[in-house]
Order: sequence, then C-alpha cells, then structure tokens
Amino acid sequence: AQTVTQSQPEMSVQEAETVTLSCTYDTSENNYYLFWYKQPPSRQMILVIRQEAYKQQNATENRFSVNFQKAAKSFSLKISDSQLGDTAMYFCALMGNSGYALNFGKGTSLLVTP
Amino acid sequence: DAGVIQSPRHEVTEMGQEVTLRCKPISGHNSLFWYRQTMMRGLELLIYFNNNVPIDDSGMPEDRFSAKMPNASFSTLKIQPSEPRDSAVYFCASSPYSGTTSTDTQYFGPGTRLTVL
Repeated sequence: AQTVTQSQPEMSVQEAETVTLSCTYDTSENNYYLFWYKQPPSRQMILVIRQEAYKQQNATENRFSVNFQKAAKSFSLKISDSQLGDTAMYFCALMGNSGYALNFGKGTSLLVTP
Repeated sequence: DAGVIQSPRHEVTEMGQEVTLRCKPISGHNSLFWYRQTMMRGLELLIYFNNNVPIDDSGMPEDRFSAKMPNASFSTLKIQPSEPRDSAVYFCASSPYSGTTSTDTQYFGPGTRLTVL
C-alpha cells in the first residue's frame, strides 16, 4: 500500500518570503513519481511540479522547487518570493508502478498575507 | 489548447434523482480519470479509462455509480439514484498515458460541485 502524509494542515507566509511545505510518503516500489498540485479557491487542480524518483536532481519550476530525499521518503515543496496568488490548498501525490493511480495527501492550506 | 472541460460546474438535485456529469478530455490524451473530493476522504480515484476502455473501476463506490466513455472526446459519470452522501466535488482528469510502464502527468478539469438534498 502507498501512503502520503502532509503533516501541516495550515501554513501562512508573508508576501515575498519563502515557505516550505512538507510531504512524506511510503511505498515499496523502486520506480515512482511524485507531484505537487495546487488547488486555489476556484477549485481547479493545477500541477505545480513533478519529480521522477530515479532522478537525483531536484525539480524546479520558476519560484517552485522540491527537496527530494529518497532514502528518507521526503518530498518537500519550497515556494520562493511568495505571491498573493499562491494562496491555495497544496496536495502532495504519489504515483507508483501502476502508471495511473495517484495517491493524494490530505493537503496543506497556504495563506499568503500582504 | 483547451484544458479538460467539465459540465455542469454546479449541480443541485434532490435525493433519488439521476445525475449525469460530463467531461471532455484534452485532445490527444489516451487516459481519462474520474475523481471525487470530500472533506472526509480527500481525493479518491473512482475510475480510469485507457483508450475509451475502463481499466480500473475499483474506486466506484457502489452500483448506483456508472461511467462511460463512448469515444475519445467524451465521458460521463452517472449517479442513479443520488443520495445526500454523494455530495462532493467530482473531477475529471486526462493524461497522455498510453498504458505502458512509464507514466504521464494528469491534467484536471475545474470540477463539478454536486449537492444532493
């Protein structure tokens, strides 16, 4: 069985600051994929960033980057220069060898304040 | 390029009525997914289609739920009869995933908020 745990239900950060969202997971598979999705108040699920487990280099997308620690089964998301539009629920997700089944964490609600 | 399109965006119905949710995946995508989001259970995969064929429907809660994909550009999720506990946000997602050992990112639609009174 695969599990994804997000231990921070809520977080807040001031505009322009940096914030890190935590995610840990458990899987017995060697090849898997990790994702961060963002869900703003509009409800739309938006892909933020993706990481293949076989890649040692941490993925980066503009202001968003991950710290992938495979041995520790940790996959944290760092948001630099936070913007008001980053206010959203953030979900960590794991996909294993099935190639299609996404297991989501419970989410972290991030509030960016002026 | 248009994203995943879902309709309606909001649906309010009474218990016992039939509800049909619709989805148009991104053109060229081989895989389509239906998810349900609730506060209690989070995001759950209901059913997965590959090339219009249902591959995994183990997440479909019960016989009241059914899903079809008559062609590559359209899918429906039907609930008959609906119950208050079906109230949730239902997402459709699509991906280029062809069913091989590698995978592809899933792109989500805006969701349908269903309320069953």
